[in-house]
Amino acid sequence: AQTVTQSQPEMSVQEAETVTLSCTYDTSENNYYLFWYKQPPSRQMILVIRQEAYKQQNATENRFSVNFQKAAKSFSLKISDSQLGDTAMYFCAFMKEKASYGKLTFGQGTILTVHP
Amino acid sequence: SQTIHQWPATLVQPVGSPLSLECTVEGTSNPNLYWYRQAAGRGLQLLFYSVGIGQISSEVPQNLSASRPQDRQFILSSKKLLLSDSGFYLCAWREAYEQYFGPGTRLTVT
Repeated sequence: AQTVTQSQPEMSVQEAETVTLSCTYDTSENNYYLFWYKQPPSRQMILVIRQEAYKQQNATENRFSVNFQKAAKSFSLKISDSQLGDTAMYFCAFMKEKASYGKLTFGQGTILTVHP
Repeated sequence: SQTIHQWPATLVQPVGSPLSLECTVEGTSNPNLYWYRQAAGRGLQLLFYSVGIGQISSEVPQNLSASRPQDRQFILSSKKLLLSDSGFYLCAWREAYEQYFGPGTRLTVT
């Protein structure tokens, strides 16, 4: 079974600064997908970024980028130029490529607060 | 474009009462559908998933059940609610290797 660990329950950052959220996972699979989801106070889950394990290049979506270290089973999210609207809970999630029916395993989340 | 709906948005029910939460997806056919529960604002736990009409897989033993009577409809039910069933329930559908979530239902069992 896969496990996903987010060791930072809460983090804070000043507006316009950069923050990195950590995530580690445990799996015996070689092919899989990793995700970061954002849950703002509205509680709507929003997909932020996706990383395929077979890709060496780190995924980037505007101000959001990841540092994917497959051997270390580490998947961190970097938010650049933080904005007040980035305040949310962030979840790291794992999906096996095969025979998983698309099931996601989530970490426990990190609450990020962006201060003006 | 695809959209996913959940209702009701909020529900307060007494212990021992029945439950029915509904999820519908528009703009796609034969999607994989999922029910998650989020307790105390923390991680999501997968409860059920469905790969087609009438096909339900349960991930954890519990007081809840799920059904998929139509291609784009997924229902979460209980015959008798427990206090421990309180939480935020999210429905999701899958496109390729990504899942997209509905707005959720906040259930409080009193």
